[in-house]
Amino acid sequence: DAGITQSPRYKITETGRQVTLMCHQTWSHSYMFWYRQDLGHGLRLIYYSAAADITDKGEVPDGYVVSRSKTENFPLTLESATRSQTSVYFCASSEGVHRDRDSKNIQYFGAGTRLSVL
Amino acid sequence: RKEVEQDPGPFNVPEGATVAFNCTYSNSASQSFFWYRQDCRKEPKLLMSVYSSGNEDGRFTAQLNRASQYISLLIRDSKLSDSATYLCVVDSSNTGKLIFGQGTTLQVKP
Repeated sequence: DAGITQSPRYKITETGRQVTLMCHQTWSHSYMFWYRQDLGHGLRLIYYSAAADITDKGEVPDGYVVSRSKTENFPLTLESATRSQTSVYFCASSEGVHRDRDSKNIQYFGAGTRLSVL
Repeated sequence: RKEVEQDPGPFNVPEGATVAFNCTYSNSASQSFFWYRQDCRKEPKLLMSVYSSGNEDGRFTAQLNRASQYISLLIRDSKLSDSATYLCVVDSSNTGKLIFGQGTTLQVKP
């Protein structure tokens, strides 16, 4: 059961370069999310997607681009990486929204990508 | 005011101790509540959902007080393996999004 996988696990890049972080899930979950986690800030939502071809901004979208042409994939692109984008990036997925006691909005996380921008 | 607030700790307790974490949330329309656990440099994982009637899973008990917009997690008979950061999580009113607290760090010592 592959679940949700992120690649690469570690990435070092230089300021100004384009970087794409991949996220793939095998559950056919409708929702997918990208977070970044930095010391002192906890998890911050970058972008999310409710279904294929539907994406929405989160709390910190500037400098990032996402696409969702297929339900199972949700790549995150840093168009021109900056040092402030050095972080740990987590992808997550969920079935949908909460209904009564049926918590379809439980999110399952990938193992993360540690990105350093030099 | 943050949407989900937790005491960051750290909580340093001896093995076998009982420890309680609290969390408050600001959105009275929230419908689902969770505790996640995050080990150092790893992904968050669901520990348990939290229901209005309160619920228990082994040594872990979660409580929800909707009137006070307050969630708690009680860990009994702490183990060294309980050392982690515990994230209080609340839904964002039928958007599919979850709001994560910054976490409370627990260190259980021998």
